[in-house]
Amino acid sequence: RKEVEQDPGPFNVPEGATVAFNCTYSNSASQSFFWYRQDCRKEPKLLMSVYSSGNEDGRFTAQLNRASQYISLLIRDSKLSDSATYLCVAVTDSWGKLQFGAGTQVVVTP
Amino acid sequence: NAGVTQTPKFRVLKTGQSMTLLCAQDMNHEYMYWYRQDPGMGLRLIHYSVGEGTTAKGEVPDGYNVSRLKKQNFLLGLESAAPSQTSVYFCASSSNLRGAFFGQGTRLTVV
Repeated sequence: RKEVEQDPGPFNVPEGATVAFNCTYSNSASQSFFWYRQDCRKEPKLLMSVYSSGNEDGRFTAQLNRASQYISLLIRDSKLSDSATYLCVAVTDSWGKLQFGAGTQVVVTP
Repeated sequence: NAGVTQTPKFRVLKTGQSMTLLCAQDMNHEYMYWYRQDPGMGLRLIHYSVGEGTTAKGEVPDGYNVSRLKKQNFLLGLESAAPSQTSVYFCASSSNLRGAFFGQGTRLTVV
């Protein structure tokens, strides 16, 4: 079983709509979590950290559910520029090992 | 403001050749990572480092070696390249587990 799993999608979203997707992690000792965005053939870019209490950054909201071992990302008022692959990341050991999910593709359509 | 710089950006190798990929960061980060990304596979961790002189194996370390002789540099070596090592390689660095920053990638083709 992979340490971090994501629904690959694609999630096809009309412009202006809301989309949400989850990521599950298998190591209950995982300490920190992040969401990254990756555009085609480019390097991943840090989108936001995920805190236990949930956090927002503009139109993006991240949540962590430790009991069920998943994190989520919600995008409100989707823009065409939000089309990308979203990568979930967990820090899975005390050496700072960053484990990536395979990514969820989001396609925002006009 | 360079951040994380990878060299080279592109390379074509013949099977059996060796090469070293260089990653340099100017953010004084403790942690550095090497990943490979293949279509449909996502990012897979090859090796990582928690500081100068310390390295650890990731998910797919076979066929690769690494060295971190200076805090700012993390080298990835391929001793005898194989076609299965054709991939895009990304280096990343982070500090205090606050999220990692990536280089632009190295596109390697082994023929």
